[in-house]
Amino acid sequence: TQLLEQSPQFLSIQEGENLTVYCNSSSVFSSLQWYRQEPGEGPVLLVTVVTGGEVKKLKRLTFQFGDARKDSSLHITAAQPGDTGLYLCAGNGMEYGNKLVFGAGTILRVKS
Amino acid sequence: SAVISQKPSRDICQRGTSLTIQCQVDSQVTMMFWYRQQPGQSLTLIATANQGSEATYESGFVIDKFPISRPNLTFSTLTVSNMSPEDSSIYLCSVNRGNTGELFFGEGSRLTVL
Repeated sequence: TQLLEQSPQFLSIQEGENLTVYCNSSSVFSSLQWYRQEPGEGPVLLVTVVTGGEVKKLKRLTFQFGDARKDSSLHITAAQPGDTGLYLCAGNGMEYGNKLVFGAGTILRVKS
Repeated sequence: SAVISQKPSRDICQRGTSLTIQCQVDSQVTMMFWYRQQPGQSLTLIATANQGSEATYESGFVIDKFPISRPNLTFSTLTVSNMSPEDSSIYLCSVNRGNTGELFFGEGSRLTVL
């Protein structure tokens, strides 16, 4: 059983479309992070959210942490081919010995 | 941020052989982490490497199969021993920065075992 459920697993969209990726858990996290990984590279940190209800924006990407700190979403506006990659959410909490727990990932493909 | 270099970046290995992956960080860090990532999938933590002590392995991973060295605060190695095709994977080194456990990763070492 995945501690962090990510959905969808795979998304193929046209350039210019919007999309949302979800990350859900039954556990409370002290912080949650989103990473993007491109082929042949390691994951790169996009953002960390710490406070329940927090919203952070990174250009066309909007990240939200749920009020109860059990879930998060990543919304991309007007997706570009450069957004293509594997998106991973990862949670940090005392329940897991303060180790990062990764979701299964969402493979995003943006077609031009 | 941190600059993390891994070598080799990729290798093709024969069944039964062993391969050592090196990880070099541009600054001193207390803990280094080794992850495995199977194709198109998420990351699984293999072990945490602390300088001056034995690595701490996660459930399902053992020292005989994945021996780790941590000779100083900027360097670590992971050996994949007696490889089988099931060990074909990307192996990633990472370090921890900040209070929220943010990780910085190397570019990964892609192993293919024939």
